[in-house]
Amino acid sequence: DAKTTQPTSMDCAEGRAANLPCNHSTISGNEYVYWYRQIHSQGPQYIIHGLKNNETNEMASLIITEDRKSSTLILPHATLRDTAVYYCIVNPGTYKYIFGTGTRLKVLA
Amino acid sequence: DAGVIQSPRHEVTEMGQEVTLRCKPISGHNSLFWYRQTMMRGLELLIYFNNNVPIDDSGMPEDRFSAKMPNASFSTLKIQPSEPRDSAVYFCASSFGGNIGEQYFGPGTRLTVT
Repeated sequence: DAKTTQPTSMDCAEGRAANLPCNHSTISGNEYVYWYRQIHSQGPQYIIHGLKNNETNEMASLIITEDRKSSTLILPHATLRDTAVYYCIVNPGTYKYIFGTGTRLKVLA
Repeated sequence: DAGVIQSPRHEVTEMGQEVTLRCKPISGHNSLFWYRQTMMRGLELLIYFNNNVPIDDSGMPEDRFSAKMPNASFSTLKIQPSEPRDSAVYFCASSFGGNIGEQYFGPGTRLTVT
């Protein structure tokens, strides 16, 4: 599976958009980009995934660059409850996720 | 749906004792995963079941660890004998299809072995 690189931590003001970047320069053509998050003391939670096109659901938007070497998860209006560790995972549609260390997002009041 | 249910939520045991962790997946899901999370190693996949059959147990650290799925609604992860280095949070997750579909995680069991 392709390796991902994420910033260790980020801060975001409450109510503002949180933009979380992920680099995956060695991604293969059949590999999806998944995002999960883990709120303190809870199990990871699925957010969104995509292959080539940008995706949006009720939680977030996923923007994948045209060359697919990087992506950005956007939380449009961050709240304090969005404080969590966010994991970017590249995977060819198999069960085997490699979670990495993720980005610790802190939403500030 | 209640989501993935795990029990117990916390377990403290002494070295050498047997530990059994339990998981009830989401109804209708046919794939089940056991993960372990530690500060040092992060979140690791231990074993994957599909339709109650173990497909990949390559992440099981040692023979002291075993997992079973006797039916579609129940799975156990057993450690016998337990050691202090087994202290971790153990998560169970389930999904429909195993592959591309998202995995739904339970709240985890925090295991402390003294």
